Amino acid sequence: DIVMTQSPDSLAVSLGERATINCKSSRSVLYSSNNKKYLAWYQQRPGQPPKLLIYWASTRESGVPDRFSGSGSGTDFTLTISSLQAEDVAVYYCQQYYNIPFTFGPGTKVDIK
Amino acid sequence: EVQLLESGGGLVQPGGSLRLSCAASGFTFSSYAMSWVRQAPGKGLEWVSVISGSDGSTSYADSVKGRFTISRDNSKNTLYLQMNSLRAEDTAVYYCAKGYSGSCYSYVGDWGQGTLVTVSS
Repeated sequence: DIVMTQSPDSLAVSLGERATINCKSSRSVLYSSNNKKYLAWYQQRPGQPPKLLIYWASTRESGVPDRFSGSGSGTDFTLTISSLQAEDVAVYYCQQYYNIPFTFGPGTKVDIK
Repeated sequence: EVQLLESGGGLVQPGGSLRLSCAASGFTFSSYAMSWVRQAPGKGLEWVSVISGSDGSTSYADSVKGRFTISRDNSKNTLYLQMNSLRAEDTAVYYCAKGYSGSCYSYVGDWGQGTLVTVSS
C-alpha cells in the first residue's frame, strides 16, 4: 500500500497570512504514460463531508477560491492557502488515487491564530 | 446539481449485517465510478471500496475484504454497500462518493452527507 503522511499535524495562522501543508507519498504517484500525478486535496469543515479542492496535484476544482493552490513532484506535495480566511478553518487531507487501496493522509488541522 | 443521499445506517450488534444505500441524482449514474469512504468518530478518512462505471469491476480495502460487498443498480441510480460480520472497528460515518469518470482510478468529485453505522452490543 502507498502510505501518505502529512505535516504538520496542525497549524494556526493569522487571518490573511499564508498556510502551507505538506503531503508525502511512500511511492511515486506520477503515472508516466500520461504525466499526471494522482494526488488530490480535500477540505473538511467541522460537521461537514469532505470537499474536493485540488486534483492532479495542482488543478483547482471549479468554484474553489484561487487562494488555494497545489504543487509537487511524484512523492512530495504541497497545499498552499495564500491568504487565510475565517472560512478556511478545517482539516485538510491529501489522497492518492494512483494505486488501490486509495489511501488518505492523516489530515492537517488549520486554525486561526 | 449532483446529489448523493445515503441511507441504511444505524445500530447493529457485532457480527450483524447492514446494507447501506446511496440514491444518486443530477448526473448519468452509470457513467461514473462510485466509492464508499468512511470516517470513524474523531478520526481521519478511510477509503473502503470502489466500483467502476465502465465494467462494474470492484475493489476493497483489506480491512473489509470478504465482509463487505459494493454493488450498483444503474436502473435505479443507486449504490449499495452490503456489510456482513460487522465489528466494533467498523463504527463510522460512511460517505457515498462519486468519481470524476468511469474509471476506478479517480478522485472524489462529490460526496454525500454520510450515514452513521454504530456496531455495539
